[in-house]
Amino acid sequence: SQTIHQWPATLVQPVGSPLSLECTVEGTSNPNLYWYRQAAGRGLQLLFYSVGIGQISSEVPQNLSASRPQDRQFILSSKKLLLSDSGFYLCAWAELRSQETQYFGPGTRLLVL
Amino acid sequence: AQSVTQLDSQVPVFEEAPVELRCNYSSSVSVYLFWYVQYPNQGLQLLLKYLSGSTLVKGINGFEAEFNKSQTSFHLRKPSVHISDTAEYFCAAYNQGGKLIFGQGTELSVKP
Repeated sequence: SQTIHQWPATLVQPVGSPLSLECTVEGTSNPNLYWYRQAAGRGLQLLFYSVGIGQISSEVPQNLSASRPQDRQFILSSKKLLLSDSGFYLCAWAELRSQETQYFGPGTRLLVL
Repeated sequence: AQSVTQLDSQVPVFEEAPVELRCNYSSSVSVYLFWYVQYPNQGLQLLLKYLSGSTLVKGINGFEAEFNKSQTSFHLRKPSVHISDTAEYFCAAYNQGGKLIFGQGTELSVKP
């Protein structure tokens, strides 16, 4: 069966520091991969999605970036964190032949101070 | 613009009572519809989905939802809730551009 992992689970970072969040999927090949952010009391905002290695689409302009160095690995990065980057970051995956159904990871709680 | 609207931000209910969480979608959104549940500090778990066929969809944990095309609704129901159902529930729709559009969420609070 398929599983999705995210780490770290929780992260506290100072403003201006770099960021790297990792997401990996097991048990499937060539999945679509997604990064979402969930701010406190708000819904989910799609940040990036990827349909293959090295293929990244950005949904909103910001100081975050994403990379997909391997088929089942998706990384969210920042060179300099802002206070507004605080939130709950969720990675999701979908099968290539049933892209409408997304499955979510456990999330990473990021607090920027 | 395509949108999904969850009509109630908070729904308090007593244990063993029935519950309905309401969701409406804009008619321009594709008719692939989903309900997800999020427990505190966890990711989203798929409860159920409507892709085609029967308009009454059954999901996990005793939940069901009914797709109503004329009313552009996809309300979530459970005949008898438990304390463990306390969570946030998200309705979502899959659009032609290949993206999931989420509602703002409904916080279900089940009280003893």
